[in-house]
This record gives sequence, structure tokens and C-alpha cells, in this order.
Amino acid sequence: SQQGEEDPQALSIQEGENATMNCSYKTSINNLQWYRQNSGRGLVHLILIRSNEREKHSGRLRVTLDTSKKSSSLLITASRAADTASYFCATDGNNNDMRFGAGTRLTVKP
Amino acid sequence: GAGVSQSPRYKVAKRGQDVALRCDPISGHVSLFWYQQALGQGPEFLTYFQNEAQLDKSGLPSDRFFAERPEGSVSTLKIQRTQQEDSAVYLCASSLDPRGVLAQYFGPGTRLLVL
Repeated sequence: SQQGEEDPQALSIQEGENATMNCSYKTSINNLQWYRQNSGRGLVHLILIRSNEREKHSGRLRVTLDTSKKSSSLLITASRAADTASYFCATDGNNNDMRFGAGTRLTVKP
Repeated sequence: GAGVSQSPRYKVAKRGQDVALRCDPISGHVSLFWYQQALGQGPEFLTYFQNEAQLDKSGLPSDRFFAERPEGSVSTLKIQRTQQEDSAVYLCASSLDPRGVLAQYFGPGTRLLVL
């Protein structure tokens, strides 16, 4: 079963706009990660945020984590057509497995 | 350097046929994971190896699924007597982290279609 739920399921924006995706999860976590998947390809790790962190930046990416609400958000600023992909959050708890959400499908129109 | 590779990239099987999917992880990566991804869904955990030891196989959907990593590098996921519901993309990932809870590096996947 999947742990996280991304919201929205699909998002369509114009190039240059910002894109915000949210992830909610159910059980306590040690880390939360965001991955990107281009159509027909494997997942690429974007960023990891630990449970004791509230915000993290990497280039045009900004991730926030609110453990009290069991939620995280991924912000992509100044989006590009190449950012078109599915974005997944993944959480790990005390088990050895990472649990992925169903993903947000982002389309950036040129 | 080379990333995670998987073969075959596509496999069409008749229902009841056995299939074997191969994963070549990044050299030196301790942990290896198999995931099943249905269309429009996120990856679902199947099983996890730390070196040659299979530490968690709780995600394998039935006893028709079997995975091995005998020398702690290449891994094979075998599905016996395939069923139509086995149709999915099978992703392999490896990680330097023994528990794989830091960054995992994914292969391109094997798309399995069972007719």
C-alpha cells in the first residue's frame, strides 16, 4: 500500500510560472524525499529532507516539511518545459522500505 | 559512471509463462530494491537486499514472485506462471546506504505485458 498522497494529481502551468505540489503521509517518518520521473523512464532523486528539518533548497527547488501535519510541499520556481514529468514523494519509517505516493503529473507549457 | 541498468526493457509473456528480469546496480552499492509500478501509480515496494541477503520480501504479492542476488551485485526477479495482473513496470534501484533510505538510484525499468 502507498504511504503518501500527492496533491494535485495533475498540474498544468505556463513556462516561467511556479509549481507547487503537496504530499501528505500517514505514519511517522525519518526522512522524506522527492523524486521526478520522466515518461517511460526511471525515477531521479531530487531532494531529501530529514524529519528535524523544516525547509530545504536545491537550485530552483524548495521543499518544506511539517511533521505536525504530516505533510510536505515541493515548489519549483521559474518552471521550464523540461520540468514536465511526474513528481513523487517517498517516505521511510522504521521499516526497510520506502513508500511512494501516486504522484503529481506536471505539465509545463512552452 | 554507469547507472543502474535493467534488462530486458520490454517483455511480452503469455499467461502462465515464467519470466526473469535482471538488474545491474551501480558498482559498490550495498542495497538493492525492486518495485512494481502500475500505470499512473507510484512505485510499490517488493523486496530489498543488503549485499546478498534478502532482508525484506514483504512486498512480494505472491509466492510466484522470487528474487535473488547471489553474489551481492546483479539481481534477478523471477515471476512464475505469470498472470495478467502482473503486467506493470518493474523498477530496480540501488543505494550506497545499507538501508537505502537515503538517495536511491533507479534503473529505466522493465515493462512487462502479460497477455
